[in-house]
Amino acid sequence: GQQVMQIPQYQHVQEGEDFTTYCNSSTTLSNIQWYKQRPGGHPVFLIQLVKSGEVKKQKRLTFQFGEAKKNSSLHITATQTTDVGTYFCAGPEKGSARQLTFGSGTQLTVLP
Amino acid sequence: DAGVIQSPRHEVTEMGQEVTLRCKPISGHNSLFWYRQTMMRGLELLIYFNNNVPIDDSGMPEDRFSAKMPNASFSTLKIQPSEPRDSAVYFCASSQARGVTDTQYFGPGTRLTVL
Repeated sequence: GQQVMQIPQYQHVQEGEDFTTYCNSSTTLSNIQWYKQRPGGHPVFLIQLVKSGEVKKQKRLTFQFGEAKKNSSLHITATQTTDVGTYFCAGPEKGSARQLTFGSGTQLTVLP
Repeated sequence: DAGVIQSPRHEVTEMGQEVTLRCKPISGHNSLFWYRQTMMRGLELLIYFNNNVPIDDSGMPEDRFSAKMPNASFSTLKIQPSEPRDSAVYFCASSQARGVTDTQYFGPGTRLTVL
């Protein structure tokens, strides 16, 4: 079946440092979504990328979809303690417009 | 707007007992998903409904697990009998068909502990 892998699994950064998480799919994706889960919370949708090579920004967060539509990245510039949480990428299950396969997530800790 | 509502938020039970988790999706959403999250296995899809009909239940661990969606505004996930390895956070999510792939809105989750 389809697999979506994320690295790293854990990342500790000092506040103000940059952070990047990478997502790789075993199959070509029609689109990719990113979610954030705060400690003790639930996943919350951040963004969806659809086009090959697409780059989208949300303040200090930059999302990129690979040219081959099999990988994606999330980069946070100058991390803040509010960025703490686990970041998941998710791709549509093959043949489905509704089911998502979630990556294993990257747990970000920001040290003040 | 009210988001996805789940109850109870926390459940502690003893092995062998029946557990029922409840979910109210966002009004107007036609897809509903049940996930289980553990440290070891991450976020796993258990079952998903579209227009109240179960579409994919391949993620349901075993016959002890069952899910129903009697109407568009209510779903249950039942575990009978429960076992300690069922301890996890169970999320319900809903989505509305639009665009390329639907965005899923998660409820706050039910933290289940089976002793």
